[in-house]
This record gives sequence, C-alpha cells and structure tokens, in this order.
Amino acid sequence: GAVVSQHPSRVICKSGTSVKIECRSLDFQATTMFWYRQFPKQSLMLMATSNEGSKATYEQGVEKDKFLINHASLTLSTLTVTSAHPEDSSFYICSAREGGRNSPLHFGNGTRLTVT
Amino acid sequence: LAKTTQPISMDSYEGQEVNITCSHNNIATNDYITWYQQFPSQGPRFIIQGYKTKVTNEVASLFIPADRKSSTLSLPRVSLSDTAVYYCLVGDRNSGYALNFGKGTSLLVTP
Repeated sequence: GAVVSQHPSRVICKSGTSVKIECRSLDFQATTMFWYRQFPKQSLMLMATSNEGSKATYEQGVEKDKFLINHASLTLSTLTVTSAHPEDSSFYICSAREGGRNSPLHFGNGTRLTVT
Repeated sequence: LAKTTQPISMDSYEGQEVNITCSHNNIATNDYITWYQQFPSQGPRFIIQGYKTKVTNEVASLFIPADRKSSTLSLPRVSLSDTAVYYCLVGDRNSGYALNFGKGTSLLVTP
C-alpha cells in the first residue's frame, strides 16, 4: 500500500529557532500533500494544502509566514516552523492522496515538536 | 468545519462486536465515506471506505443506508489493540471536507 514517510519523528528546539519537517510519499506521486496539527486530546486540524510547484493554500487562522511550506517535487513536501515558540509545540502530521479527490488519505507517523 | 457527528467515546469488552455510527446529513451525491483509526502519537490509518450499502475488508465492515445520511463502522471481535480513536470523514464536492476531521470516537477495549 501507499506509504508516507515523515521525518523527524521527534524534535526539541529552543524558542526562536526554526524547525523543518519532511514528508515523502515513498511509492506514489503526490501532487498534493496536506499538513495537520494536533494538540493533546484534540482532533487533527488541517493547516494547509501543499501543491507541487506552486504556493501552498493555508487554512484560515494559520500564519503562512510562520509555517513555510515547500513542495519541491511530486514526492516531497516540507513544513518549516519559523521562529518557533512554546505555543507551537504540537504534533504535526502530513498526508497525501494516491489518487483523486475521493481517494483515501495516507498519513505519515507525525512529528512531535517541543519548543523550550 | 466538520460535517460529521460521532459519539465521543465507547467502551467494549474484548471479543465483542463494536459498531460506531457517524451522522452526515449533508453528504453530497458523489461523496464517499471514509473511516480512519488513530493510535496515540501516530498518524491516522485508513480503515475502510464506501459509497453505499455494505463494504467489507479484512478488518472491518461499513454499513451505509440508502439515504446515506449516516454510516456505521463495524469492528468484529475487538481486541485490546483496537483501543484507539476512530474518525469518519465525508467528502464535499465543493470544499474538500474529506480533509477535515471531526472529534472522532474514542474506543476503549478492556479485558
């Protein structure tokens, strides 16, 4: 089946630094990838849609200058949390579809970000 | 904004059948219903997807009535390892609500 790989699985950084998270579709091409954030005991919240070769589409309330998304190829999207602060500490998860709009989403295993 | 409603939590004993129902009154004609399972500190995992009637795979069944305004995920003979949060997602032809997760159902399976 389709596999989405996310790296790193866990990262701790100091306040004010930037952190990059990679998301790769290993055995399929993904023209579109999706980034989610999940706080403890809450559901997943869609942050943005990453489009290969073009700018990402951000959900309302998500700062595009803080959460930089780059979708450089059909198999790689990156999320950079810039100037991270403790309130950015969360579980970040990427996903991608192997096929059309009604195809199931395949998720990475998430990245636990802790900002100290 | 989630288009689905599920029970917040359910409890079951090992070996029982568990049925989780999701309401989606505003489902569009061409939308599919997809269920995911999520364990703590992991990304969600696809369980099953359907459009109408009944779909069955190696882990679950999905029952969808004729009006498609609800669906029921059926997990046969659950084990402790089925303790997880279960989400149903429904597509929307205009704005891609298949991307938005509701609160999900937290299933606890005990011995």
